[in-house]
Amino acid sequence: AQSVTQLGSHVSVSEGALVLLRCNYSSSVPPYLFWYVQYPNQGLQLLLKYTTGATLVKGINGFEAEFKKSETSFHLTKPSAHMSDAAEYFCAVSKSAGTYKYIFGTGTRLKVLA
Amino acid sequence: EAGVAQSPRYKIIEKRQSVAFWCNPISGHATLYWYQQILGQGPKLLIQFQNNGVVDDSQLPKDRFSAERLKGVDSTLKIQPAKLEDSAVYLCASRYLTGRTYNEQFFGPGTRLTVL
Repeated sequence: AQSVTQLGSHVSVSEGALVLLRCNYSSSVPPYLFWYVQYPNQGLQLLLKYTTGATLVKGINGFEAEFKKSETSFHLTKPSAHMSDAAEYFCAVSKSAGTYKYIFGTGTRLKVLA
Repeated sequence: EAGVAQSPRYKIIEKRQSVAFWCNPISGHATLYWYQQILGQGPKLLIQFQNNGVVDDSQLPKDRFSAERLKGVDSTLKIQPAKLEDSAVYLCASRYLTGRTYNEQFFGPGTRLTVL
């Protein structure tokens, strides 16, 4: 069975500091991996995805993530935090075949301090 | 391109009442999903449709929840009767179905249900 673990339900960073949100997954087959962002009272918006190919994936708003198979990780980073990055971030895993349904992590709420 | 539409955005009901949520996916998206997102948790899949057929409803509490997508376009999720633990945000998502290229799910704004 697939599962996703997001370490740290709340993360605080100063504006301009590095953002690092952690995601580890468990999957018996090659996974597809995603990061979504959710702003208050809104749906989920895709930040980036890994399916195949290059393991360093760049997304919107300056975010990127690296798929590390040996560590079963897909951590999200951004070099310099902006106040507008304050939101909740979800990591999700999907099988690379079948129904492609997502299994989500429990989310990490990012707070950006002025 | 219009996104996934959901209504209502908010709903407050008493326990044991019935409620229905509506979702209109992005035009041309064959796959439609309903998720339940309880406060402090990640979304959990309730049911997945491909066109008007059910692909996965293994986590749908079928004694009280039902969903349909009769014409393969919009969909309705119903709860009857509601319980306090059904308080959550109900998210609808859709995905374009292609043969080879994987396409991600697009989410609607959700319906926030409060059961009193």
